[in-house]
Amino acid sequence: GAVVSQHPSRVICKSGTSVKIECRSLDFQATTMFWYRQFPKQSLMLMATSNEGSKATYEQGVEKDKFLINHASLTLSTLTVTSAHPEDSSFYICSATTSGSFTDTQYFGPGTRLTVL
Amino acid sequence: GQNIDQPTEMTATEGAIVQINCTYQTSGFNGLFWYQQHAGEAPTFLSYNVLDGLEEKGRFSSFLSRSKGYSYLLLKELQMKDSASYLCAVRDASKLTFGTGTRLQVTL
Repeated sequence: GAVVSQHPSRVICKSGTSVKIECRSLDFQATTMFWYRQFPKQSLMLMATSNEGSKATYEQGVEKDKFLINHASLTLSTLTVTSAHPEDSSFYICSATTSGSFTDTQYFGPGTRLTVL
Repeated sequence: GQNIDQPTEMTATEGAIVQINCTYQTSGFNGLFWYQQHAGEAPTFLSYNVLDGLEEKGRFSSFLSRSKGYSYLLLKELQMKDSASYLCAVRDASKLTFGTGTRLQVTL
């Protein structure tokens, strides 16, 4: 149980284009999903917390207009990187919990490697 | 805020026991997690401690001392496949904060 998928697993795009990444909880309902970014040999940095049916909460320093998050259902959250630039190249990972609070373990998706040329 | 420290790298021999330490300073505490992450992959959950003491799960055990702000992950009977990064993460009331991870290399 507690399987989280992400799509695509890898994407290469040109500078200035937008990229959408999907995060799905396959066998449970996730009222809360989280989006992280990880640069090489660094730890995971939380970008935003996404709650189903409400606006995402962004961490300090993360541009909400650049990283659009939509959590339209209990099993799907999307992250759209708008007008991507080479510095946005990173490993993006989502996670999900089974309740609306932090009392449950976060289960991670397999990640999406974004390369912006 | 949160400050989490782990050793950057460790090396151990196949079949041996290794202990990975994690110290933390937090403004709030609501549990500590250990995750395993292989290169290029997402983290997988290993253990969770919220009360002081030792939690054992097969070859993996995790210990927590809240008064000391200290945890360790103990890996027994090391296997080559245990070569990975091990992430210590602390949860406060609002989010999970990760340490930089400890890269473990298991050798023959």
